[in-house]
Amino acid sequence: EDKVVQSPLSLVVHEGDTVTLNCSYEVTNFRSLLWYKQEKKAPTFLFMLTSSGIEKKSGRLSSILDKKELFSILNITATQTGDSAIYLCAVDNYGQNFVFGPGTRLSVLP
Amino acid sequence: DAGVIQSPRHEVTEMGQEVTLRCKPISGHDYLFWYRQTMMRGLELLIYFNNNVPIDDSGMPEDRFSAKMPNASFSTLKIQPSEPRDSAVYFCASSPGTNQPQHFGDGTRLSIL
Repeated sequence: EDKVVQSPLSLVVHEGDTVTLNCSYEVTNFRSLLWYKQEKKAPTFLFMLTSSGIEKKSGRLSSILDKKELFSILNITATQTGDSAIYLCAVDNYGQNFVFGPGTRLSVLP
Repeated sequence: DAGVIQSPRHEVTEMGQEVTLRCKPISGHDYLFWYRQTMMRGLELLIYFNNNVPIDDSGMPEDRFSAKMPNASFSTLKIQPSEPRDSAVYFCASSPGTNQPQHFGDGTRLSIL
């Protein structure tokens, strides 16, 4: 059965801290891995990763994929209270389906 | 771009009633997805369409759930009869093609009493 696991499930940090969120997966036919940020409403797209070892960056956020070890990490440096959200990892199983992980709930305290 | 538009935003109804959720995808997006999100189970894919044709409905929980996409700009998710365990946030998302990020609507928060 296709599976996406995220850790930690919940994390509380203070502003300025750096955090690393983890996503591991087991799918039959991997095509890409996506990270989303969900605040109060809809998930919003952050990154799509298809190749191992190539870091994607957007401001203080960055992500990398390891297709050999079947995991990805999402890093957030110098966290701000606006980073508080649920971060979702999803895997595209070659168009057969999208499998989402349970999410990591990040709380950034002032 | 208006984004993915879902209606209603909130729905509260009694068990046994029929519920219809609506979605307008982003123009030009060929893929449309219906998801359900709960605290217990997270985000689950229910069904997705490509060019208005249902491709995979293996995530639809049971026969009480049905989805249609009569044209490229409209889709419905229907629950009949509804049950309290159907209470969740239902999201619609669309994407321009395979291996493209999905754009989510704001969701419909459904409460079945």
